[in-house]
Amino acid sequence: DVVMTQTPVSLSVAIGQPASISCKSSQSLVGTSGKTYLNWLLQRPGQSPKRLIYLVSKLDSGIPDRFSGSGSETDFTLKISRVEADDLGVYYCLQGTHFPHTFGAGTKLELK
Amino acid sequence: QVQLKESGPVLVQASETLSLTCTVSGFSLTNYGVIWVRQPPGKGLEWMGIIWRNGNTDYNSALKSRLSINRDTSKSQVFLKMNSLQTDDTAIYYCVTGSPNWFAYWGQGTLVTVSS
Repeated sequence: DVVMTQTPVSLSVAIGQPASISCKSSQSLVGTSGKTYLNWLLQRPGQSPKRLIYLVSKLDSGIPDRFSGSGSETDFTLKISRVEADDLGVYYCLQGTHFPHTFGAGTKLELK
Repeated sequence: QVQLKESGPVLVQASETLSLTCTVSGFSLTNYGVIWVRQPPGKGLEWMGIIWRNGNTDYNSALKSRLSINRDTSKSQVFLKMNSLQTDDTAIYYCVTGSPNWFAYWGQGTLVTVSS
């Protein structure tokens, strides 16, 4: 199975400051179609996960452009340009290229 | 709008079989696949398996011997059955949209506790 390694495990950020989360996969996530099925999810406390970004960098509808995704092959990053209170929770990367699909262990974003 | 809702028992005895239902609305199961994902309390997410829009299935090899996923398209329902439950199967079980809009929509989840 593809191992997704997320860092850091936790992140303490002041409101208005930037945040960055790294996700590395144990093998290339480029699929046979040429697309890279790397997603970012946010799970707020007590809620189901919510997809924020798909195909590395495409923002889901309603997701503010403070969020951005980048990367290729095995190395990916989620950036928040200015953290807001509503951004708190656990962020997961998720690869959808290889079966079984696998998740990173999560990064908990907390307020400083 | 697209919605998924899980239902089933809250408590299951160890060694017994878990049966969960995912009832969907806003889309047809012949147009979307449905995935099951689970999350032990306070822990991370595990992909369990998928039923594709054509009715084919794929399973996580770690669970394959115990897991089956089926559906009733006329009722817009997807079914998960997993046997030989152990206490470490205690988790929140989610159903999620698969192909073509992978992981875009999640159910609220249902907590299943396995009691020894």
